[in-house]
Amino acid sequence: GAVVSQHPSWVICKSGTSVKIECRSLDFQATTMFWYRQFPKQSLMLMATSNEGSKATYEQGVEKDKFLINHASLTLSTLTVTSAHPEDSSFYICSTLGGAPMNTEAFFGQGTRLTVV
Amino acid sequence: AQSVTQLDSQVPVFEEAPVELRCNYSSSVSVYLFWYVQYPNQGLQLLLKYLSGSTLVESINGFEAEFNKSQTSFHLRKPSVHISDTAEYFCAVSVSGGYNKLIFGAGTRLAVHP
Repeated sequence: GAVVSQHPSWVICKSGTSVKIECRSLDFQATTMFWYRQFPKQSLMLMATSNEGSKATYEQGVEKDKFLINHASLTLSTLTVTSAHPEDSSFYICSTLGGAPMNTEAFFGQGTRLTVV
Repeated sequence: AQSVTQLDSQVPVFEEAPVELRCNYSSSVSVYLFWYVQYPNQGLQLLLKYLSGSTLVESINGFEAEFNKSQTSFHLRKPSVHISDTAEYFCAVSVSGGYNKLIFGAGTRLAVHP
């Protein structure tokens, strides 16, 4: 299956600073990537859909100015949490679709544990 | 809109016992169904999926799930669990027809005890 690499795997930052998370597709071109966040003992909530070369589509309730998404190439999408606060502490996971038929399998990155202190 | 309900948040079970993790979905259109497994502090891995055809699908590690359209269910089963099966399991749905986002259930924590 496809390989999706996410970096960093964990990060601790001070309140008010910004953090960038990278998601790379290592062995295929990903025109679309998805960003999820997961709070402890909860499910994955889709934040936004990232499209190469265009603006991301954000889910209802997700602040686009706070969670900046850039998908400048077919192998890299980034999520920047701006002016992070403790309530932004969460597990962030990216994924892309591939597989046969018709790109029906989601491949996930390893996730990034963000802790804001 | 689609939604997924996993009725059990936690399922404790003894090693070598059978297990069933329940999943129900709602959708007004045709869907694809998935089960993903998540180990601590890791991303998700696909366990099995139903796209079309046979309603019973199997994974390489002994899990199986059956798509029941009339009951809108996609329950996951394994006849004999191992300690290594301890993980979080997520049922997910996407609208059939190709490139679509996944909607996840709340997850079920399977805890296998010796």
